[in-house]
Amino acid sequence: GESVGLHLPTLSVQEGDNSIINCAYSNSASDYFIWYKQESGKGPQFIIDIRSNMDKRQGQRVTVLLNKTVKHLSLQIAATQPGDSAVYFCADFTGGGNKLTFGTGTQLKVEL
Amino acid sequence: DGGITQSPKYLFRKEGQNVTLSCEQNLNHDAMYWYRQDPGQGLRLIYYSQIVNDFQKGDIAEGYSVSREKKESFPLTVTSAQKNPTAFYLCASKIQGGPGELFFGEGSRLTVL
Repeated sequence: GESVGLHLPTLSVQEGDNSIINCAYSNSASDYFIWYKQESGKGPQFIIDIRSNMDKRQGQRVTVLLNKTVKHLSLQIAATQPGDSAVYFCADFTGGGNKLTFGTGTQLKVEL
Repeated sequence: DGGITQSPKYLFRKEGQNVTLSCEQNLNHDAMYWYRQDPGQGLRLIYYSQIVNDFQKGDIAEGYSVSREKKESFPLTVTSAQKNPTAFYLCASKIQGGPGELFFGEGSRLTVL
């Protein structure tokens, strides 16, 4: 069935380096994607979103890239900080935009 | 402040008991959602509601029930029919009308002894 999945379960980076978290999706009808950050024991927090008519979108220290040809989404975090340590989820909207389907998540660990 | 409030944050129950988790939002959002999260896994959709007095099953609705009598409230009951109820439960809401950001509560952790 359709799904949203991530390539790597854990990513370790040095403080100050850039982080890249990848996500593959299979629903070709998906037209809206969101990245969430979840700290331990808390609810997910919105980071950035992108619509399918865009290839790139930038926020504060974060950039999302969308490659519709290969159904791939990535989240880039610049100058990664200890506070960025969390699980990151990509998610896409299906069913007319009323159901948000989440991937498995990537644990980002920032090493000092 | 506007937001979503889930209660209780931690809940312990004996096997075979029904449990109701509360979710209240003052964001004036039409749509509300319940997700379940197991350790090291993503979020799976249990139920969602797009409008008062209406709700739809998600991907893992068996053993759960919901009601939407008020716009602000979307309680989830974990029934004794749910075979593995121990999990982290997340409630979310969004403005109705197509794709958009879901706002999440802080979650309720249910442990069945």
